[in-house]
Amino acid sequence: NAGVTQTPKFRVLKTGQSMTLLCAQDMNHEYMYWYRQDPGMGLRLIHYSVGEGTTAKGEVPDGYNVSRLKKQNFLLGLESAAPSQTSVYFCASGGSGRYEQYFGPGTRLTVT
Amino acid sequence: QKEVEQDPGPLSVPEGAIVSLNCTYSNSAFQYFMWYRQYSRKGPELLMYTYSSGNKEDGRFTAQVDKSSKYISLFIRDSQPSDSATYLCAMRSYGGSQGNLIFGKGTKLSVKP
Repeated sequence: NAGVTQTPKFRVLKTGQSMTLLCAQDMNHEYMYWYRQDPGMGLRLIHYSVGEGTTAKGEVPDGYNVSRLKKQNFLLGLESAAPSQTSVYFCASGGSGRYEQYFGPGTRLTVT
Repeated sequence: QKEVEQDPGPLSVPEGAIVSLNCTYSNSAFQYFMWYRQYSRKGPELLMYTYSSGNKEDGRFTAQVDKSSKYISLFIRDSQPSDSATYLCAMRSYGGSQGNLIFGKGTKLSVKP
């Protein structure tokens, strides 16, 4: 039981490049979340999903897109990366009817 | 006023000390309270989950909620160097959007041998 896994662990992008971060969970959780964590800003919710095929905007959605084609996977896309998107990205998942969330190990993204 | 306030520290204590970590909040509708531990360069790990007021104990950890004061605490007894991490509080109200879990910014704890 791996819990929540994230791919890749590290990535360096040039401004304007695109990339997709993959999150996978093996806990059969309905809910999945993408956060970014920046020094002094704490965890900020980017997008989330309450089930397969659904997505919703969080606190800081601009510049990101997401898709949840399969229940166990949640993808975060950056279409045209900007230096302001340099951050650590965490995926989390949670069970139906529950509010606690379980986090992955994170992806460190640097945009130059 | 921010919804959740947490002293960022850093907090440095000797091994064996009792540690008290705290968060205050402004939304009286919050009923679900969590504490996460985050080691350096790792993801947050759920430590404690409590509902409404009262205490919950798990080994060396005790979570306390005082809804009348809008104040939650995490106590660590017999602290160990392995407890050195950043501790995040999180909370939300019943119902509403599933995305409404509000996090504190974290308190960095260092336990010195």
